[in-house]
Amino acid sequence: GEKVEQHESTLSVREGDSAVINCTYTDTASSYFPWYKQEAGKSLHFVIDIRSNVDRKQSQRLIVLLDKKAKRFSLHITATQPEDSAIYFCAAPSSNTNKVVFGTGTRLQVLP
Amino acid sequence: GPKVLQIPSHQIIDMGQMVTLNCDPVSNHLYFYWYKQILGQQMEFLVNFYNGKVMEKSKLFKDQFSVERPDGSYFTLKIQPTALEDSAVYFCASSLLNANTEVFFGKGTRLTVV
Repeated sequence: GEKVEQHESTLSVREGDSAVINCTYTDTASSYFPWYKQEAGKSLHFVIDIRSNVDRKQSQRLIVLLDKKAKRFSLHITATQPEDSAIYFCAAPSSNTNKVVFGTGTRLQVLP
Repeated sequence: GPKVLQIPSHQIIDMGQMVTLNCDPVSNHLYFYWYKQILGQQMEFLVNFYNGKVMEKSKLFKDQFSVERPDGSYFTLKIQPTALEDSAVYFCASSLLNANTEVFFGKGTRLTVV
């Protein structure tokens, strides 16, 4: 089945800098890659996704890149702000079973 | 946007008792899921459900766990009997089609077994 690895468990950046979180997956048939944000004590909040028919998607300060050959996708947060501090989870569906498999999460801290 | 509602938000229960976690999925969605998260860590898949049946369950979905959605009402997760290690936040989710479409998550139910 699908395995999703999230490489950074913690990440600290200065306010205004960019943050990059990297994930890899194993299921070559996966075609949809969502990212979720979880603030302290709260639920998951969908932030952005990318489908396998493109290799880049941007929504305001969020950019997702997808490298299908390397089975890698990344979330770039530009011009970070304190409210970006949270845990970010990458995810990918398992193509042969109907479930979303999550990475282990990256705790992002934006420092003033 | 579409919302998945979970009731209650918090539940404290004595070990050995039964608990039912309720989920009101997005109205036209067909696939339903439960995930377990301990202490803000890994989101662990428990079970998915479609057309009135469990499609897949993980090893975390113990024999004491069961799910159902009678006649389009709440999608429920029942634990009977509860154990201390069941303390976690349980997230319900739903999707219109399979997991290759956007999956919407509820706010979670924090279950504390004492």
